[in-house]
Order: sequence, then C-alpha cells, then structure tokens
Amino acid sequence: EAGVAQSPRYKIIEKRQSVAFWCNPISGHATLYWYQQILGQGPKLLIQFQNNGVVDDSQLPKDRFSAERLKGVDSTLKIQPAKLEDSAVYLCASSLVERAGKETQYFGPGTRLLVL
Amino acid sequence: AQSVTQLDSQVPVFEEAPVELRCNYSSSVSVYLFWYVQYPNQGLQLLLKYLSGSTLVESINGFEAEFNKSQTSFHLRKPSVHISDTAEYFCAVTPDTGRRALTFGSGTRLQVQP
Repeated sequence: EAGVAQSPRYKIIEKRQSVAFWCNPISGHATLYWYQQILGQGPKLLIQFQNNGVVDDSQLPKDRFSAERLKGVDSTLKIQPAKLEDSAVYLCASSLVERAGKETQYFGPGTRLLVL
Repeated sequence: AQSVTQLDSQVPVFEEAPVELRCNYSSSVSVYLFWYVQYPNQGLQLLLKYLSGSTLVESINGFEAEFNKSQTSFHLRKPSVHISDTAEYFCAVTPDTGRRALTFGSGTRLQVQP
C-alpha cells in the first residue's frame, strides 16, 4: 500500500513570495490533515478535511494561508505572502477509520520550507 | 481541549541500556494515545497506539507503552536500546469520539551512544 505522498520535499523562497504544497493521501482515506512543525516543536494542526469539506480550520492563518481538497482526494496548501516565521516542515496526514470508529493517522514525509 | 507534556526534551543513553520517555496528558474527555517516531529528515512514523483494551501496548521493534488513566500518563519504554533508535519521539492524543486532529507534545530527542 502506497503511503502519503507530498511534494516538493524542500522549498526555499524569499519573504512576501507565494508557495504551494501538494499532498496525495493514502487511497480510500477520507480524512486529510495539514500540520505545521516548527523546528524544536511538535506538529500543530492547520486544517482538517473530511472528503472535500473543511472540518476544522480554526488554527489556519487565513490572511495568508489557504487550502483546498477538490474532489476529495489530493490537497494543496498555499501561503501568500510568506513570512519568515512560516519556515517549518509542513506535514500532510490521512486517516483510516477502523472498526468502532477508531482512527489512525499516517503521515507523509513533509515539505521543508525555508523563508529568507 | 487536550494538551500533552513530554517532560524531557533530550534523553542521552548508552547502547543496550533501558530507556523511558515520559508523556503526560490533560483532557476533559476520554482519549486515544499514540507515540510517533521521526528519524532525521523523515516524516512521522506511527510507533504504537492505545485505542482500547489492554493498557500495555507494544511495537514490532521492542518498544512498549502503558496507559495509566489515573496518572494520565503514557510513558514509552524499551529494555535495551540500539544506535538505530536515535530519533525524535512524539507523544500525541486525540479524543475518542469523532474524527479529530492529533495534539502533540513537544518531542523527546533520544540520543543513543555507543
């Protein structure tokens, strides 16, 4: 079974530029998450999708971040314009709902963003 | 809301020695608990999880964790570590109802020395 795919793996941009990240979840996983992991910290949720609908985007800085999941499969996360503090690893995860509603999240390799 | 505290940011240990990585959580509802491992320049990999049933859960590479509801802890242990266990370990929780994002601790860097 293929895992969660993300691209690009690395990106370097200057502040005020825009950038986009792509995620393809594990086939059949309805729930998709984007997390931001700043160096030295644990990942923090940015946005959660259920199929192509947003479940939770309360921690997404909506003035500069946007995300979509058209057709309920792959997803893109965009930052426009980027700030220095956006330097982080952006992790995509998808989840499988097991019996009795139990859920396990599987993570992609992440996109490491450096904003100069 | 949930929160996770990993009490040690770094744990140095010699090869073949035992290790314990501590994790405490806070939640007003019942939770599922997870340990993820992150090797250098790689994504998070699920190490083990507690969803229900036996409070002692094991991974395929010798780690185990015990859910202690009264102490709200989920400490990770291994009786004998290897150099290859050097990595960052994250404890995470999620409510046991509905589909919710994980809340992570700040991580513990396990450094295994020869």
